[in-house]
Amino acid sequence: AQSVTQLGSHVSVSEGALVLLRCNYSSSVPPYLFWYVQYPNQGLQLLLKYTTGATLVKGINGFEAEFKKSETSFHLTKPSAHMSDAAEYFCAVRLNTGFQKLVFGTGTRLLVSP
Amino acid sequence: DGGITQSPKYLFRKEGQNVTLSCEQNLNHDAMYWYRQDPGQGLRLIYYSQIVNDFQKGDIAEGYSVSREKKESFPLTVTSAQKNPTAFYLCASTIGGTANYGYTFGSGTRLTVV
Repeated sequence: AQSVTQLGSHVSVSEGALVLLRCNYSSSVPPYLFWYVQYPNQGLQLLLKYTTGATLVKGINGFEAEFKKSETSFHLTKPSAHMSDAAEYFCAVRLNTGFQKLVFGTGTRLLVSP
Repeated sequence: DGGITQSPKYLFRKEGQNVTLSCEQNLNHDAMYWYRQDPGQGLRLIYYSQIVNDFQKGDIAEGYSVSREKKESFPLTVTSAQKNPTAFYLCASTIGGTANYGYTFGSGTRLTVV
């Protein structure tokens, strides 16, 4: 069955530091992968997605992610954290069996300190 | 602007009471979904609908019911049979029967049992 695992329920960084949020997936077919961001008491907003083609995907707010098939990973990075990046981040994979749905990871809360 | 509107934003339910959460979209999307979010558990699928007058149970459908009488609307009823309804509820939609482009989410409804 397809699934995603997000390593670390909380990640803390200082403002200006590199952000790295980890996501590993399990899929027997080429995956479609997504990263979403959620601010408190709000819905999820799509940051970026990998479908086919270029393995380095650029998204909104300066985030990017690299699809690495050999490592079954799709880690999210940002070179320099900003206070406004503090939020919860979810990785998701498209389920291919039957009606297509997204399966979400358990989320990683990013804390940014001044 | 197109989007998904969830109402109310906050909802309080007494023990033994049924409540209905509204979800309306003007994106002309075919598929709609309801997710439940609890701290540390990510998003869990309650119900989904591919087309009007058709819907399917997700992973945690017990104690919930839905209807899909119009393409734009997918209300969720939390019944008294749901023993632990306090959670954040998210509605989402996507084009056609594919999740290739990811989901568009509403801003959520926070339900609290009092």
